[in-house]
Amino acid sequence: SQTIHQWPATLVQPVGSPLSLECTVEGTSNPNLYWYRQAAGRGLQLLFYSVGIGQISSEVPQNLSASRPQDRQFILSSKKLLLSDSGFYLCAWSWGAVTEAFFGQGTRLTVV
Amino acid sequence: AQRVTQPEKLLSVFKGAPVELKCNYSYSGSPELFWYVQYSRQRLQLLLRHISRESIKGFTADLNKGETSFHLKKPFAQEEDSAMYYCALTHSGNTGKLIFGQGTTLQVKP
Repeated sequence: SQTIHQWPATLVQPVGSPLSLECTVEGTSNPNLYWYRQAAGRGLQLLFYSVGIGQISSEVPQNLSASRPQDRQFILSSKKLLLSDSGFYLCAWSWGAVTEAFFGQGTRLTVV
Repeated sequence: AQRVTQPEKLLSVFKGAPVELKCNYSYSGSPELFWYVQYSRQRLQLLLRHISRESIKGFTADLNKGETSFHLKKPFAQEEDSAMYYCALTHSGNTGKLIFGQGTTLQVKP
C-alpha cells in the first residue's frame, strides 16, 4: 500500500533562517506531488506541484521554492524565512487528473 | 476563475440534528467536486466525491450544476462527526490540483 511521510511535524524558525521540509511517498511510482499551505484564517492554497522528477510548477509568487530530486521525494525550501511564511504545510500525492489526493500529516511552521 | 466558497467557518449542532455544510463553486467547465475531512490529530482524508454518488458515514453530497453547489448533508449528526470539512474542486485538465474552500469546522454537541 502507499504511504506518505512528511517531516518535521512542528518547526519554529527565526526570521531570515533557511527552511527545508521533506516529503516522501512509498508504494507507488511517478506520482503527482503537491505542496499546500494553510495560513491563519485561510483555506488550503496550492503552492507547488510536480508531475515528474525535476518538473516543478509554482502556483503563487512567494518566498519559497520546491524541488523533486527523486521520483518520490518532494522538498519545500526557503533561503530566508519571513514572518508571513508561518502556517501549516501539507504535502500530498495523487495519480493525477481527477483522482483522490493523499495527504501527509503536515508541518506546523512558526517563524519568529 | 476557479473558486470554492464555504460560507460558514463554524457550524455547531446537537447530536441527532440534521447537518448541512454548504459549498458553492465557480467554474465554467465540468468540475469534479470532493469533500475532504480532517478529524482531530488525523491527516486530511477524502470523505466523498460527487462522481461516486455514494454515502460515506451517513454523509451525502449532490452536485447541483444549476446552483453551482455541492452541499454536504447528514440527517442525524453524531459526536464523532466533529471535524474540519473542506470542499474541493478540480477538473480533468488540472493535473490533480485541488482548489479548496476555506473549510468549515463542524461541532456536534452531546
